[in-house]
Amino acid sequence: QSVLTQPPSVSGAPGQRVTFYCTGSSSNIGARYPVHWYQQLPGKAPKLLIYADNNRPSGVPARFSGSKSGTSASLAITGLQAEDEADYYCQSYDRRLSGSSVFGTGTKVTVL
Amino acid sequence: EVQLVESGGGLVQPGGSLRLSCAASGFIVTHNYMNWVRQAPGKGLEWVSVIYSGHSTYSADSVKGRFAVSRDTPKNTIYLQMNNLRPEDTAVYYCARTSGSDLWDGFDIWGQGTTVIVSS
Repeated sequence: QSVLTQPPSVSGAPGQRVTFYCTGSSSNIGARYPVHWYQQLPGKAPKLLIYADNNRPSGVPARFSGSKSGTSASLAITGLQAEDEADYYCQSYDRRLSGSSVFGTGTKVTVL
Repeated sequence: EVQLVESGGGLVQPGGSLRLSCAASGFIVTHNYMNWVRQAPGKGLEWVSVIYSGHSTYSADSVKGRFAVSRDTPKNTIYLQMNNLRPEDTAVYYCARTSGSDLWDGFDIWGQGTTVIVSS
């Protein structure tokens, strides 16, 4: 059972903006541990999309952005494209669980 | 090229054992935290274990006492020894590199995954 909660699915038309949240608690996101986001295309390994709350690795389009406030973080995709249809996971660290990274429950983004 | 290649997955009976390997190239595994992450069919990602740049290891409660992560420095390879396997351990197992020097940094390099099926 994940300690980070995400909506199961979100959808949007091409060109639209979608935003979804990753909700944690005072022992993970609220403890100021960084939040990272991953994109997982069908049948593929996850790919780091956003690191340390709001930073994009080289090669990740600028239409992906992250933010964090309190015990939640969010991922926004502006100018939604067909190739953005994928599963997205947040990740952080939980100080109650020794050595433990924690992943969110995952959000399926569907491009209508 | 920096990459990770897993191997060793397969079909195993409940109660059996399996050892997964993750061969690294383009970087030295002792310089980073190295993780195992799994994904059950149709489910989300679950962090499994980490090995520090020293020799410390930590595992999720769901596998503690059954799984052990280790490293072969000359081979630049990490392993996941899985004992007393259960059907709920059925998953694709990924190894992944922690990007920075802090345990809470993101995972920037992932292998392609290896599939473990626990079934009689």
